[in-house]
Amino acid sequence: EVQLVESGGGLVKPGGSLRLSCAGSGFVFSAYTLTWVRQPPGQGLEWVSSITTRGDSIRYADSMKGRFTISRDNARNSLFLQMDSLRADDTAIYFCARLRWGDDAFDIWGQGTVVSVSS
Amino acid sequence: EIVLTQSPGTLSLSPGERATLSCRASRSVSTSYLAWYQQKPGQAPRLLIYSSSSRATGIPNRFSGSGSGTDFTLTITRLEPEDFAVYYCQQYGGSPLYTFGPGTKLEIK
Repeated sequence: EVQLVESGGGLVKPGGSLRLSCAGSGFVFSAYTLTWVRQPPGQGLEWVSSITTRGDSIRYADSMKGRFTISRDNARNSLFLQMDSLRADDTAIYFCARLRWGDDAFDIWGQGTVVSVSS
Repeated sequence: EIVLTQSPGTLSLSPGERATLSCRASRSVSTSYLAWYQQKPGQAPRLLIYSSSSRATGIPNRFSGSGSGTDFTLTITRLEPEDFAVYYCQQYGGSPLYTFGPGTKLEIK
């Protein structure tokens, strides 16, 4: 079964850090661009960051630049999101997703991991 | 920045009826890079339509996508009880790289 499983969410104080992980299985992990998307409570979806197959092209949404770092370890079929200088408005469910070849639609999603930033 | 607007915000229909959901972009979007997703409460989004009109794997043929330029439509013929959910359109290639619309909630009338 093709799947992505996130982990690493939790409660953190403003200004703190958290590292999210996303484990892929059932497909050739190294062959796909991957992405993080977040969803604040009761709100819509917001793209966070994407990384190409070998990590040679990385993009971030403007509000995450300089605070979030995306990376991947293809040998371990894992995607990561290092989040620093966290703010209350970073509170959200964080999903990892796989991009389809050619049109970049997000075809496989993980179940999400919850990040809460509060004092 | 490409902004996606979805209408209506909420659509109230009965099972068996036809649903028409609209997604409008602030600038032209390539038809190759417009997708639709369905999200049910407590679940991750699910890809329904990619490249404006192609159904994703396993998606029933009552779901169809159309449109070009700045106006795109998701149509669901003969609504089933499991179709009541929130629907998002998404574009790729603008700035930011990927943007989602605010969503249309399809609720049972």
